[in-house]
Amino acid sequence: DAKTTQPTSMDCAEGRAANLPCNHSTISGNEYVYWYRQIHSQGPQYIIHGLKNNETNEMASLIITEDRKSSTLILPHATLRDTAVYYCIVNPGGYQKVTFGTGTKLQVIP
Amino acid sequence: DTAVSQTPKYLVTQMGNDKSIKCEQNLGHDTMYWYKQDSKKFLKIMFSYNNKELIINETVPNRFSPKSPDKAHLNLHINSLELGDSAVYFCASSQYRDRANTGELFFGEGSRLTVL
Repeated sequence: DAKTTQPTSMDCAEGRAANLPCNHSTISGNEYVYWYRQIHSQGPQYIIHGLKNNETNEMASLIITEDRKSSTLILPHATLRDTAVYYCIVNPGGYQKVTFGTGTKLQVIP
Repeated sequence: DTAVSQTPKYLVTQMGNDKSIKCEQNLGHDTMYWYKQDSKKFLKIMFSYNNKELIINETVPNRFSPKSPDKAHLNLHINSLELGDSAVYFCASSQYRDRANTGELFFGEGSRLTVL
């Protein structure tokens, strides 16, 4: 699996957009970018994934650069419940090993 | 309806004991996993089974033995527990990514093991 690099922590004001970056410069052509989050000690939760086009769902938007070497997860209107550790991983989406890095700890501030 | 369920949620035991954690998924997925999250919060894959066949076996002591009686169940048995085994163990499942599936992992709520 390609390695990803994320900032250790970020703060965001409640109601503002949270932009979480991820570098994945060694991503392979068949690997997707997946984002998960882990709230407190709960099981990680899937947020969104994409290959090369920007994606949006009810939770977030994913912006992938044209060279696919980095991406940004956008939470458009952060709430206190979005405080969590956010993981960016790359994987073909098959049966290969899914490796989680250290993630970004997002703190949403009232 | 819980998609991926693990039992027990909490487990406190003495060093040297043997314990098991059970996992069941009702999503119809064909692949299941065990992850370990230690006190530093690193989430590390331990094992993966696809249709009852072991396909990923990371560097894990052989005191840890997974068993998959069918593709909806993946249990983890740990022999001769050590202090360093204290962690939260997460079970997960997934289906191969295609047009109908995202390939995402669905995690259980975790089983917190404390070895005294």
